[in-house]
Amino acid sequence: LAKTTQPISMDSYEGQEVNITCSHNNIATNDYITWYQQFPSQGPRFIIQGYKTKVTNEVASLFIPADRKSSTLSLPRVSLSDTAVYYCLVGEPGRRALTFGSGTRLQVQP
Amino acid sequence: DADVTQTPRNRITKTGKRIMLECSQTKGHDRMYWYRQDPGLGLQLIYYSFDVKDINKGEISDGYSVSRQAQAKFSLSLESAIPNQTALYFCATSDLDSSYNSPLHFGNGTRLTVT
Repeated sequence: LAKTTQPISMDSYEGQEVNITCSHNNIATNDYITWYQQFPSQGPRFIIQGYKTKVTNEVASLFIPADRKSSTLSLPRVSLSDTAVYYCLVGEPGRRALTFGSGTRLQVQP
Repeated sequence: DADVTQTPRNRITKTGKRIMLECSQTKGHDRMYWYRQDPGLGLQLIYYSFDVKDINKGEISDGYSVSRQAQAKFSLSLESAIPNQTALYFCATSDLDSSYNSPLHFGNGTRLTVT
């Protein structure tokens, strides 16, 4: 299974753009990159998934360089409610169960 | 996700007791999972099932067992609970479409305390 490395924590202010980078040096050809958000005492919630280049939805953007050894989750104009832990997962969601790392704890200040 | 229901929400038990955590889903998904989360840490995979006849061990299956009674039900058992199994337990489901977009849908968790 591809291992991931993320910063343990990040701080930001309301209205700023936040970029969280995940390193996955041994990503396999068929692996997808998936990001989840988790609030305290709740189950994680799917944010976005991608394979290469850029993916955007109503919540976030995901940037994946050509070598796919890293990915960056971009949250535009964060608010206090974006304070949460963000997890980067790498794997084949259709073939194997995905493994969570320790995640990045994002604290958004007013 | 309200379509993934875990019972009980909270449970306190004593060392050595056998307990069962239950998960049911109305999403019609084939795949179901059990994760464990210790305070301040990420989620660890205990067991997963890709269909009713398929059961797979995850990272930390020792001390746990599962039963997939039906497509909609996946239960986790602790045969003889020990204090270091005190944690928050999550059940999740997923489906698979042709684009490989198969996000996990989590229940609200069961907080288990073993004294």
